[in-house]
Amino acid sequence: GENVEQHPSTLSVQEGDSAVIKCTYSDSASNYFPWYKQELGKRPQLIIDIRSNVGEKKDQRIAVTLNKTAKHFSLHITETQPEDSAVYFCAASDYGGSQGNLIFGKGTKLSVKP
Amino acid sequence: KAGVTQTPRYLIKTRGQQVTLSCSPISGHRSVSWYQQTPGQGLQFLFEYFSETQRNKGNFPGRFSGRQFSNSRSEMNVSTLELGDSALYLCASSSSGGASGELFFGEGSRLTVL
Repeated sequence: GENVEQHPSTLSVQEGDSAVIKCTYSDSASNYFPWYKQELGKRPQLIIDIRSNVGEKKDQRIAVTLNKTAKHFSLHITETQPEDSAVYFCAASDYGGSQGNLIFGKGTKLSVKP
Repeated sequence: KAGVTQTPRYLIKTRGQQVTLSCSPISGHRSVSWYQQTPGQGLQFLFEYFSETQRNKGNFPGRFSGRQFSNSRSEMNVSTLELGDSALYLCASSSSGGASGELFFGEGSRLTVL
């Protein structure tokens, strides 16, 4: 089955710096890659997603890149702010394939220091 | 539009007991997925129900079961509780399934097994 590895597990940056979180997946059939943000004590919420027919997607300060050949995708946050502090989860799925469910990485705790 | 509602929010059980958790999805959503969240393990997929049918199942023992009713509300049951079952149980609803679109999570049911 699908396996998603996420690195690093913790990341600390200064306000204004960039943050990058990387994930690798094992199932080459996976074609949908969302990122969820979970603030302390809150529920996870989708912040951005990308499908396998696209190599990069941006939404204001966040962007996601996908390399299907290498089977990895990354989340990039620019000009980080204290409110970006949270746990970020990547996920992968092969909609319509053998699994059809989301498999999450173990999360990255991002701390943005003012 | 009301969000995903989970009950109870907190519960304490002892080893060997069983527990039933409930999830009411967003109106119109036919897919309900369940995840177990523990520190360091991220979000582990339990199962997904779509129109009252279990569509996918994760790698959890048979003590974990679920069902979905005709109004899309879902329940999950854990029998013969073990200490390791202590976790935050999150349910998430979506219109077509998390493998292809956004999951909307509830606030979770925090289970403590003593």
